[in-house]
Amino acid sequence: QSALTQPASVSGSPGQSITISCTGTSSDVGGYNYVSWYQQHPGKAPKLMIYEVSNRPSGVSNRFSGSKSGNTASLTISGLQAEDEADYYCSSYTSSSTLWVFGGGTKLTVL
Amino acid sequence: QVQLQQSGPGLVKPSQTLSLTCAISGDSVSSNTAVWNWIRQSPSRGLEWLGRTYYRSKWYNDYAGSVKSRITINPDTSKNQFSLQLNSVTPEDTAVYFCAREGGYCSAGSCYSLYYFDYWGQGILVTVSS
Repeated sequence: QSALTQPASVSGSPGQSITISCTGTSSDVGGYNYVSWYQQHPGKAPKLMIYEVSNRPSGVSNRFSGSKSGNTASLTISGLQAEDEADYYCSSYTSSSTLWVFGGGTKLTVL
Repeated sequence: QVQLQQSGPGLVKPSQTLSLTCAISGDSVSSNTAVWNWIRQSPSRGLEWLGRTYYRSKWYNDYAGSVKSRITINPDTSKNQFSLQLNSVTPEDTAVYFCAREGGYCSAGSCYSLYYFDYWGQGILVTVSS
């Protein structure tokens, strides 16, 4: 069982917006602004989409945005496109000896 | 542009040692800002951080508690790469293994780590089976 809780699946139509939640504890998500989000297509390595809760790396579309409230972080994708269909994982730095924890992943289906 | 190229066997027998290598281009394993990680992914355990190595005037390692007694991560400065060794493997260790970089930067004489994984290797599926 993953340390961070994400919904197993979300879906949306092209052009719509979706939000994926990521719930942790005060030892990880709630305690640090070191939440990041990764996109993973089948058979590929994860790709960084959001870092430090709400920052986008160069080259990532501004349709992707992140936020955090308490122990829950969120990834919002606006203007859904077919290429956004993938698995999405959140990650957080943690105060435990296992320095990094991940969510179980959310499968995004673009209808 | 940083690239990480992984290599190693895809099949390991139970009780033996899993060994993988991650070759770095576009950065240095001895960088004062980067941190070099191993992460695995399996259907049963999801993404799981295993450990890391980094250089800050001397070498440091951190390991996940779940594998701490079985894992070694070593840098190889002559080949600009780092390796993963996981001992006494069982079928539970079957997973896709990734290497990944935490970046960093220096400013005004101080260096800082960036708390995210910005570059990943391609992943290697390692199956533990007799």
